[in-house]
Amino acid sequence: GQSLEQPSEVTAVEGAIVQINCTYQTSGFYGLSWYQQHDGGAPTFLSYNALDGLEETGRFSSFLSRSDSYGYLLLQELQMKDSASYFCAVTSGSARQLTFGSGTQLTVLP
Amino acid sequence: DAGVIQSPRHEVTEMGQEVTLRCKPISGHDYLFWYRQTMMRGLELLIYFNNNVPIDDSGMPEDRFSAKMPNASFSTLKIQPSEPRDSAVYFCASSERGNEKLFFGSGTQLSVL
Repeated sequence: GQSLEQPSEVTAVEGAIVQINCTYQTSGFYGLSWYQQHDGGAPTFLSYNALDGLEETGRFSSFLSRSDSYGYLLLQELQMKDSASYFCAVTSGSARQLTFGSGTQLTVLP
Repeated sequence: DAGVIQSPRHEVTEMGQEVTLRCKPISGHDYLFWYRQTMMRGLELLIYFNNNVPIDDSGMPEDRFSAKMPNASFSTLKIQPSEPRDSAVYFCASSERGNEKLFFGSGTQLSVL
């Protein structure tokens, strides 16, 4: 089966930079995704990494190291609206199933 | 596009009753997913379809759960009979490219009393 580990909570102040790490164990790995979910809302797609390296999209960047089974989401210039849960998810297996981690609750303080 | 549309937004029912959740994926998306979210278990994949064909239903909890996709623009998730432990938010999602980028609907908050 698959297992993913990410911190349950992270707190940072407005304007700061925060990194949310994700380690995974799986077979037949295809890629690592990140999703954001505000309270009461639906998950929304942030990024997908299939290859090693850093992908940047505005204030958000995502990194993957396949050899280390590790990735992270980097959020820069934090804003209050970034307070949300962030989920890493792996695509793996013969059915290319997408399995989500348990999520990291990010709180941005003024 | 209106995005993935789910109905109803909220459903309250009594144990033993049949529950049907509905989903309309984004037009042109060939993949459709049903997920369930609870505090205890997080986001769990129940089943997903490609071109209306079920590909992986290993996450369907038991025979009480069934899902259909009669055409490219409609899917249902049925629970019969429902139990209190089925209470959760059920999300439908669709995508163009398999599991690389999913678009989620607003979810159905199901409460089984």
